Amino acid sequence: GAGVSQTPSNKVTEKGKYVELRCDPISGHTALYWYRQSLGQGPEFLIYFQGTGAADDSGLPNDRFFAVRPEGSVSTLKIQRTERGDSAVYLCASSLGFDEQFFGPGTRLTVL
Amino acid sequence: GNSVTQMEGPVTLSEEAFLTINCTYTATGYPSLFWYVQYPGEGLQLLLKATKADDKGSNKGFEATYRKETTSFHLEKGSVQVSDSAVYFCALYPQGGSEKLVFGKGTKLTVNP
Repeated sequence: GAGVSQTPSNKVTEKGKYVELRCDPISGHTALYWYRQSLGQGPEFLIYFQGTGAADDSGLPNDRFFAVRPEGSVSTLKIQRTERGDSAVYLCASSLGFDEQFFGPGTRLTVL
Repeated sequence: GNSVTQMEGPVTLSEEAFLTINCTYTATGYPSLFWYVQYPGEGLQLLLKATKADDKGSNKGFEATYRKETTSFHLEKGSVQVSDSAVYFCALYPQGGSEKLVFGKGTKLTVNP
């Protein structure tokens, strides 16, 4: 079956611009997670949704970052006023809850 | 807080060599422990897991045992293949907490023929 998909696979933007990253989870998975992976580091947690609501957003670095999951399926991570330090691979994962998380291929964001 | 420490890489081995990648953790209670693998050009995949002390996770010839007394979850394989070349991440789910995975920094393994 289809796995977790993320679009775009690559995004290059200029400092100060707004970007949206999309995640399509595995059908039927109620939990959805966003992580950020900087070069040479492990993934770091950003936010987790259970259904439509954000159950834990403690990993969002500041108020420039926001994520939504309005219908409990697709999620969008939104970054305002991008900075060069936001450059990283953004990973999305989904699960049935407290179970194996299935990861997408990631979106590589480059802020020039 | 919760954290995972992995041995520094990169690790380079010859085919059929024995592999150990060390992983230790800091967490309260009894977290669930995982090894994820990232093959070149691919996404993260779960390799194996253990959810309680003394459990052994195994998959594709890899093994790891949950050692509460040493807070460790070392990854081992008796005979590595070129196709095992990848980055390996140790991770934990804190007990009773949020579902966020806490990852180590990763260890890059290269296996030469």
